[in-house]
Amino acid sequence: AQSVTQLGSHVSVSEGALVLLRCNYSSSVPPYLFWYVQYPNQGLQLLLKYTSAATLVKGINGFEAEFKKSETSFHLTKPSAHMSDAAEYFCAVSDPAGNNRLAFGKGNQVVVIP
Amino acid sequence: GAGVSQSPSNKVTEKGKDVELRCDPISGHTALYWYRQSLGQGLEFLIYFQGNSAPDKSGLPSDRFSAERTGGSVSTLTIQRTQQEDSAVYLCASSLAAVTDTQYFGPGTRLTVL
Repeated sequence: AQSVTQLGSHVSVSEGALVLLRCNYSSSVPPYLFWYVQYPNQGLQLLLKYTSAATLVKGINGFEAEFKKSETSFHLTKPSAHMSDAAEYFCAVSDPAGNNRLAFGKGNQVVVIP
Repeated sequence: GAGVSQSPSNKVTEKGKDVELRCDPISGHTALYWYRQSLGQGLEFLIYFQGNSAPDKSGLPSDRFSAERTGGSVSTLTIQRTQQEDSAVYLCASSLAAVTDTQYFGPGTRLTVL
């Protein structure tokens, strides 16, 4: 079964600094990987996804993630944090043999310090 | 176009009562998923519908939970004899059929069981 690990439930970053959120996955098949963002009282919005094409994936709002098979990782980065990036971020892996349902990490609550 | 919609946005009920939660997927999306988001368990898969196929109910936590999808569109999640541990945000997502297709999430229904 697929699973995802996200360490550090709360992440504080200074405005203008690098945002780095780590995601490691476990999968018995080539994975499809996703990062979603959730703003307060809203549903999940897709930031980006990896589906076996380019290993460096660019998403919305200046975020990108790199798939590294050797490290079973899919870390999310943004060069310069903005106040509007304050939200909760979830890494997820889909299970193609399991009706494509998503298995989520526990999430990272990002706080941006002015 | 319209996204995934869910109703009600909030539901407060008494322990032991039944509740129904509704999801309207994006038009043309044949796949529909229900997830539950709770403080203790994070985001969990509940059930999956694809076209006219039998649903994948493997994520339902107990037989008090059931769901149906009428006409391949609207879905209703029913929780019978609600318990306090059912308190959570229930999220619905829809996607096109392919494995790599993005799941688009609704805003969720926040259920509080007193």
